[in-house]
Amino acid sequence: EAGVVQSPRYKIIEKKQPVAFWCNPISGHNTLYWYLQNLGQGPELLIRYENEEAVDDSQLPKDRFSAERLKGVDSTLKIQPAELGDSAVYLCASSLDDTDHEQFFGPGTRLTVL
Amino acid sequence: GQNIDQPTEMTATEGAIVQINCTYQTSGFNGLFWYQQHAGEAPTFLSYNVLDGLEEKGRFSSFLSRSKGYSYLLLKELQMKDSASYLCAVRTGAGSYQLTFGKGTKLSVIP
Repeated sequence: EAGVVQSPRYKIIEKKQPVAFWCNPISGHNTLYWYLQNLGQGPELLIRYENEEAVDDSQLPKDRFSAERLKGVDSTLKIQPAELGDSAVYLCASSLDDTDHEQFFGPGTRLTVL
Repeated sequence: GQNIDQPTEMTATEGAIVQINCTYQTSGFNGLFWYQQHAGEAPTFLSYNVLDGLEEKGRFSSFLSRSKGYSYLLLKELQMKDSASYLCAVRTGAGSYQLTFGKGTKLSVIP
């Protein structure tokens, strides 16, 4: 069974530029999560989707971050414009549903903003 | 909010036993998870506790005391490949859950 797929794995951009990350969850998983992980820290939730609906986006900086999950499968996370402090690893995870015990994480996208 | 505390770093010898502690202060507790994360890789699920007591899974065991807000992950017969960060995460809520991660404990296994 294929795991959570993310692309790109690495991205280097200059500040003020836009950037987008893509995630394909495990087939059949209804719940999708986007996390941000800084070096030496645990993942922090940005947004959670139940199918195509964003049910928890309280930690998403909406002035520059946006996300979508069209058709309740793949998801895209966008930053526009990027700032130096956005440099981090962006992790996507999925689970069968919101009550499922285990979240499966993708390899992440490492973003460097210069 | 949630407050999760675990040691930043630990070092242990190959073949030994190590215990990684996690304390938490939270409302609406609904389970505690341990994840393993190798450098540059995704976190992978290790264990889940929602009731008090010990859950054993091969070389790894996890303990929970809800009244004390305390958990530990026990790793036996340490192997070099166990060198990784171990993340404690607390789930809260009812019907709509939120998972909050600690900062992780970086374990180094030495020969």
